[in-house]
Amino acid sequence: GAVVSQHPSRVICKSGTSVKIECRSLDFQATTMFWYRQFPKKSLMLMATSNEGSKATYEQGVEKDKFLINHASLTLSTLTVTSAHPEDSSFYICSAREGQADYGYTFGSGTRLTVV
Amino acid sequence: GQNIDQPTEMTATEGAIVQINCTYQTSGFNGLFWYQQHAGEAPTFLSYNVLDGLEEKGRFSSFLSRSKGYSYLLLKELQMKDSASYLCAVMDSNYQLIWGAGTKLIIKP
Repeated sequence: GAVVSQHPSRVICKSGTSVKIECRSLDFQATTMFWYRQFPKKSLMLMATSNEGSKATYEQGVEKDKFLINHASLTLSTLTVTSAHPEDSSFYICSAREGQADYGYTFGSGTRLTVV
Repeated sequence: GQNIDQPTEMTATEGAIVQINCTYQTSGFNGLFWYQQHAGEAPTFLSYNVLDGLEEKGRFSSFLSRSKGYSYLLLKELQMKDSASYLCAVMDSNYQLIWGAGTKLIIKP
């Protein structure tokens, strides 16, 4: 089945620094990838839709200058949290879909970001 | 607005059967997904329903009634490893996924 690889799984950074999270589709091409954020005991919140070769589509309330998304190829999308602050600490997850919807959306393993 | 409702938490006994309900109100419908998510991990795909009826996959089954805006996930022969959150998500007319808050399932011996 489809595999989505996400790195790093955990990262601790200092306030003011930037963190890059990578999401790769390992055995399929993903023209579209999705970036989610999840707070403890809460459901997934879609941040943006990453489109290969074009600008990402951000959800309302998500700062595009803070959460930079680059979909460099059909197998790689990156999310960079710029000038991170403690309130950016969260679980970030990417997902992609291979083929038809009945295959479901495959999620990366997630990245636990802690900003200190 | 768009809304997905599912119970916050359920408790069941090992070996038993549990049904997790999900009701939805969305702008259009292009399918309903169920995902399992263990604490600290990413969700894993369980099922996809786009037509009315029951889909069975081993111990897990998912049912959909589009006219009622209703689905359920049925878990049989519960095992301790089934303790997790179960997320219901609906794909709307724009092919956007609308997520429920998840149901935390606690399995007791």
